[in-house]
Amino acid sequence: GNSVTQMEGPVTLSEEAFLTINCTYTATGYPSLFWYVQYPGEGLQLLLKATKADDKGSNKGFEATYRKETTSFHLEKGSVQVSDSAVYFCALSRDNYGQNFVFGPGTRLSVLP
Amino acid sequence: KAGVTQTPRYLIKTRGQQVTLSCSPISGHRSVSWYQQTPGQGLQFLFEYFSETQRNKGNFPGRFSGRQFSNSRSEMNVSTLELGDSALYLCASSAQGTLNTEAFFGQGTRLTVV
Repeated sequence: GNSVTQMEGPVTLSEEAFLTINCTYTATGYPSLFWYVQYPGEGLQLLLKATKADDKGSNKGFEATYRKETTSFHLEKGSVQVSDSAVYFCALSRDNYGQNFVFGPGTRLSVLP
Repeated sequence: KAGVTQTPRYLIKTRGQQVTLSCSPISGHRSVSWYQQTPGQGLQFLFEYFSETQRNKGNFPGRFSGRQFSNSRSEMNVSTLELGDSALYLCASSAQGTLNTEAFFGQGTRLTVV
C-alpha cells in the first residue's frame, strides 16, 4: 500500500539555522508529493508540491525535490524564523482524479529566538 | 474570500450516540474531503465528495458516512460512537478536486467521546 515516513521530531532549532525534515514514501507508480504545514490552532495549508520526478517545489524559502531513485521528498530551508514554528506534514496522492492524500505522521518544529 | 468553515468546533458525545459534523467549502469549490486526525494514527482519509457524489473512500467502517448537498456543503455522520472515534476531523475543499488544484483545510471539529 501507499505510505509516508518522516522524522517525527520534535525538532528544535535556533533562528537562522538550516532546516531539513526527511520524508520518504512507498507507492506503486508515480505519486504526486506535497508538504503541508499546520500552525497552532489552524487547519493545514499547502506549502509546496511536486508532481513528477526531479520536480522542485518551493515556497516561502522552503524547497523540496522529488527524488524517484531514493523515493524521497526532503523539506529544506536555509534560514528558519520563529514564525516557521509549526507541524509539517509530508503527503502523497496517487489519485489524479480526486483528492485522496496519504499523510506522514507530522514533524513538530520549534524555532527559538 | 471566506475559508472552509467547520461546525461545531468542539463536541462532546457519549459512547453509543451518533454525531453529525458540517463543512462549508469555499464558495465555488465542488470537492470536499474529510480526514480524521489522531495522535496514534495521524491523518487518515475518510472520503471525498464531488458534485454530490462520493468519489473516493478510505478504509473506515460503515459507521462513518457522509453526503454532499447541491450547494457543495458536506456533512459527515458517525453512528454508534466508540471511544476511539475521539479525534480532530478535518474537512478540505478544492475547486475541481484534482491534484492541480489546491486543497484548503478548515480548522476542524474536535470530537470527544466519553
